[in-house]
Amino acid sequence: DVKVTQSSRYLVKRTGEKVFLECVQDMDHENMFWYRQDPGLGLRLIYFSYDVKMKEKGDIPEGYSVSREKKERFSLILESTSTNQTSMYLCASSLGQGYNEKLFFGSGTQLSVL
Amino acid sequence: AQSVTQLGSHVSVSEGALVLLRCNYSSSVPPYLFWYVQYPNQGLQLLLKYTSAATLVKGINGFEAEFKKSETSFHLTKPSAHMSDAAEYFCAVSEGNNDMRFGAGTRLTVKP
Repeated sequence: DVKVTQSSRYLVKRTGEKVFLECVQDMDHENMFWYRQDPGLGLRLIYFSYDVKMKEKGDIPEGYSVSREKKERFSLILESTSTNQTSMYLCASSLGQGYNEKLFFGSGTQLSVL
Repeated sequence: AQSVTQLGSHVSVSEGALVLLRCNYSSSVPPYLFWYVQYPNQGLQLLLKYTSAATLVKGINGFEAEFKKSETSFHLTKPSAHMSDAAEYFCAVSEGNNDMRFGAGTRLTVKP
């Protein structure tokens, strides 16, 4: 089975701190995604990447950046955290051969910004 | 861009009763549709997906969904609810551009 691993389950940060959220997948998937999940809003796409060093903005990229230096790793960067970035962050990957490929999700990182 | 609307943020059924979770989509091209389930403290898992092969799609754990183009709907059903079905369910749509859009989710509660 595909495994998508997120480096931290819980994080607590202060406003203005820089945060790196790491995600690693072990099945040579082309596509990787970062979503944030908020009650009543579901999952919203922040950024995705379909190849190494490639990235595309999702619906809510403001305040975030990403890095994909290696195929298996996709990092989400919050340069200067704010309280409205308190959320559950979910990483996902997919094989990438077509648009009907299912996503494999990590367990999520709950970020609290104080 | 594609989008999904899930009707009802919270659905409660009795054990053994029919489960019906509603999803309507918007897409400029023939869509690919998915239902995912999220159990507490876990990531999302795929329940089933529609890829135009058949309008009635069967998934895991006894769930199925029917694609109705005329109604732009993809509702999820299960004939008899089990306590273990309690979870949050997400409908999602893709147009083939490597990004998937999710609905707001429906939390299913199963009463004994």
